[in-house]
Amino acid sequence: AQKVTQAQTEISVVEKEDVTLDCVYETRDTTYYLFWYKQPPSGELVFLIRRNSFDEQNEISGRYSWNFQKSTSSFNFTITASQVVDSAVYFCALSDVSTGNQFYFGTGTSLTVIP
Amino acid sequence: DADVTQTPRNRITKTGKRIMLECSQTKGHDRMYWYRQDPGLGLRLIYYSFDVKDINKGEISDGYSVSRQAQAKFSLSLESAIPNQTALYFCATSDRGLADEQFFGPGTRLTVL
Repeated sequence: AQKVTQAQTEISVVEKEDVTLDCVYETRDTTYYLFWYKQPPSGELVFLIRRNSFDEQNEISGRYSWNFQKSTSSFNFTITASQVVDSAVYFCALSDVSTGNQFYFGTGTSLTVIP
Repeated sequence: DADVTQTPRNRITKTGKRIMLECSQTKGHDRMYWYRQDPGLGLRLIYYSFDVKDINKGEISDGYSVSRQAQAKFSLSLESAIPNQTALYFCATSDRGLADEQFFGPGTRLTVL
């Protein structure tokens, strides 16, 4: 069965610190996609990134980077030099072939960046 | 204008009342979804529709029903609301590909007293 685990419920960091949000997934499919979404205090859900199961290259976008490791079924998200605007709940999600485009979300990690 | 809209944005109702939450999208997507968000539980899928004639139950469909009136409209109903249905409800849409992200509406905060 598909499952996404975000073991970190809440994280607090001081501004300018680096922080890594963990995501571990389970699926029996060999073709799948992983996603990260951000939910700021205003409540909307904002798409950040997608990664397919055949591409293990890490990705960097500004202060954000993602580390995908199939060997450990993990898709971790790192924010470098955190800022107050990064304070949000972050969700990891899985979509695989056997369920079409049905998403399985983790329970989210609430990040607070302290000025 | 927003691509995915939800009405109402906030609703307070009483136990036993029938409630309908509406979702409209202008993205031209075939697929639409309803989720609820509860603190500590993330987003859980209630119902999803891959086209107008294809509606499927999600993880937590009990107590809910849906109607896909058109490609652009997907409504969620609570036939007889109960307090544990108090939550934040999101509608989402996506294109057909496995790689396609879901686009979310702004959410409806529902309180059942």
